[in-house]
Amino acid sequence: DGGITQSPKYLFRKEGQNVTLSCEQNLNHDAMYWYRQDPGQGLRLIYYSQIVNDFQKGDIAEGYSVSREKKESFPLTVTSAQKNPTAFYLCASTPGQLMNTEAFFGQGTRLTVV
Amino acid sequence: AQSVSQHNHHVILSEAASLELGCNYSYGGTVNLFWYVQYPGQHLQLLLKYFSGDPLVKGIKGFEAEFIKSKFSFNLRKPSVQWSDTAEYFCAVNDYDYGQNFVFGPGTRLSVLP
Repeated sequence: DGGITQSPKYLFRKEGQNVTLSCEQNLNHDAMYWYRQDPGQGLRLIYYSQIVNDFQKGDIAEGYSVSREKKESFPLTVTSAQKNPTAFYLCASTPGQLMNTEAFFGQGTRLTVV
Repeated sequence: AQSVSQHNHHVILSEAASLELGCNYSYGGTVNLFWYVQYPGQHLQLLLKYFSGDPLVKGIKGFEAEFIKSKFSFNLRKPSVQWSDTAEYFCAVNDYDYGQNFVFGPGTRLSVLP
């Protein structure tokens, strides 16, 4: 089945450590996105990538980094510079930014800083 | 920048009651509109979408939404809710005129009492 796989489902990190969240898709989609979900704030865009080897900052990129070396993979690193990293992280993809289509989402990763 | 507002943070209804969840976006132009639902412990799922044409769109599970361009609104409706509709509902806009990606509202939590 085609879809988006995020791993792990739950992640615990000590303060001061970097951590990388995985996002893989087998939908052959060009565009991929990372969102952060906090209660009462909806989904806020962290980074997005329209094509391999290219990515753009979203609304809340500070303290995060990404790479897009392969079409199917868009890992997100939460760095120690992120002041409040505990949140639910969602990865999404679309066939392309300028096409009439919905976004497809993974199951999410819940990150907790301990 | 485009922004999305949802009128209610938490709505509580009894089964068989009618539902209307409000959604407004800030800028007009060429927009695609979406409602997503997140059931407890599950990933985001698309309820319905509007790209063009008939402003009244029907989605899954008996939901419908009406796009009113003059009011920048895309309200979600269901004539009779069920306990299984308990979930969080997110309105989203994809605004091509501003070259932005999916912008989500803060979400509305719906609790349906049996």
